[in-house]
Amino acid sequence: DVKVTQSSRYLVKRTGEKVFLECVQDMDHENMFWYRQDPGLGLRLIYFSYDVKMKEKGDIPEGYSVSREKKERFSLILESASTNQTSMYLCASRIVSSFSGANVLTFGAGSRLTVL
Amino acid sequence: DQQVKQNSPSLSVQEGRISILNCDYTNSMFDYFLWYKKYPAEGPTFLISISSIKDKNEDGRFTVFLNKSAKHLSLHIVPSQPGDSAVYFCAASATNFGNEKLTFGTGTRLTIIP
Repeated sequence: DVKVTQSSRYLVKRTGEKVFLECVQDMDHENMFWYRQDPGLGLRLIYFSYDVKMKEKGDIPEGYSVSREKKERFSLILESASTNQTSMYLCASRIVSSFSGANVLTFGAGSRLTVL
Repeated sequence: DQQVKQNSPSLSVQEGRISILNCDYTNSMFDYFLWYKKYPAEGPTFLISISSIKDKNEDGRFTVFLNKSAKHLSLHIVPSQPGDSAVYFCAASATNFGNEKLTFGTGTRLTIIP
């Protein structure tokens, strides 16, 4: 079974702090994703990465950056946290395949961030 | 612009009855659709999917129906069980040579009443 591990389940930070959310997957997946989940808004894509050192903006990248130096690790960075970034953050990974049935993301358990 | 919409934020169904969750999409390029289930404090887990070349896919108690002309899909759960109580997200993607990104709906909270 693919395992996607998010290192911090709960974080509390202050406005203006730099925040790192770490995600590690153990199945050599090429693609990795960061989503945030908010009530009434569903899951919205922040950034994704096709492969090492590659990144692409999702639908709501403002205020975030990412880093993918190794294939198994995808980090989400909040340069200066703000209260509107209080949310549940979900990391996911996927193997690349021409078979459309492989288009299934495996998610981590989530990191709940509160910015005061 | 919400390309994938779940217009019912919540749904309550009696145990043993059928649960029907609905999803509408606007992007005609979407060709693959999935349903995910999410319990509190856990990540979403994959439930069932359907390709646009089909109009129905069944897996045990779960069936997904796709109506391409109406840009509508639905998830049927029968019979509904208490463990089905969760938030359900539909998601869609367009073929992009292995680099598809999933667009999710806003979710429907399903409560099964014992």
